[in-house]
Amino acid sequence: NAGVTQTPKFQVLKTGQSMTLQCAQDMNHNSMYWYRQDPGMGLRLIYYSASEGTTDKGEVPNGYNVSRLNKREFSLRLESAAPSQTSVYFCASSISRGSVPEAFFGQGTRLTVV
Amino acid sequence: AQSVTQLGSHVSVSEGALVLLRCNYSSSVPPYLFWYVQYPNQGLQLLLKYTSAATLVKGINGFEAEFKKSETSFHLTKPSAHMSDAAEYFCAVTEGWAGTALIFGKGTTLSVSS
Repeated sequence: NAGVTQTPKFQVLKTGQSMTLQCAQDMNHNSMYWYRQDPGMGLRLIYYSASEGTTDKGEVPNGYNVSRLNKREFSLRLESAAPSQTSVYFCASSISRGSVPEAFFGQGTRLTVV
Repeated sequence: AQSVTQLGSHVSVSEGALVLLRCNYSSSVPPYLFWYVQYPNQGLQLLLKYTSAATLVKGINGFEAEFKKSETSFHLTKPSAHMSDAAEYFCAVTEGWAGTALIFGKGTTLSVSS
């Protein structure tokens, strides 16, 4: 059981380049999330998807787009990368077990924009 | 709107000493509360969760947390620190209903010295 799988694990981009971060979960979870982690800032929510077919902006959505391709997959796209987007990106998924929305995380993607 | 404040970005203790990491939350409805741990270069792992079933919650690795509604707090404790507890700890809150996301505090780095 793989859980939440993110690809790639590391990426270096030049300013202005585009890329898509992939995330897939095999736990049949309804909700999926993208966070970015920066030193001293904790995890900040970029976008989330409460269910297949829906997406909502989080705290820091500017410069990003997302696609909930199906129930398993939730991708994050940077259309024109900027150095300020250098960060570690985490994907997560959750389901209410009973009524507790416990989240499971991928191992992260370390992105550097030069 | 829900939010989390973690008091102290860095806590240092000696091995065998009490660990106390502070978390205060804001929520318009009874919340679900979580503590996650992150070891270097890894994803986040759930330590424990508050679900309203009991105010004192026990988690993995000897950690526990107490929910105090009157103080809007959910502090994490461990009676005796081990070197292996050195990590970053995140408190998180969600209102839990479909469409709400998991919001994190900025994290507390725990250092344990021998």
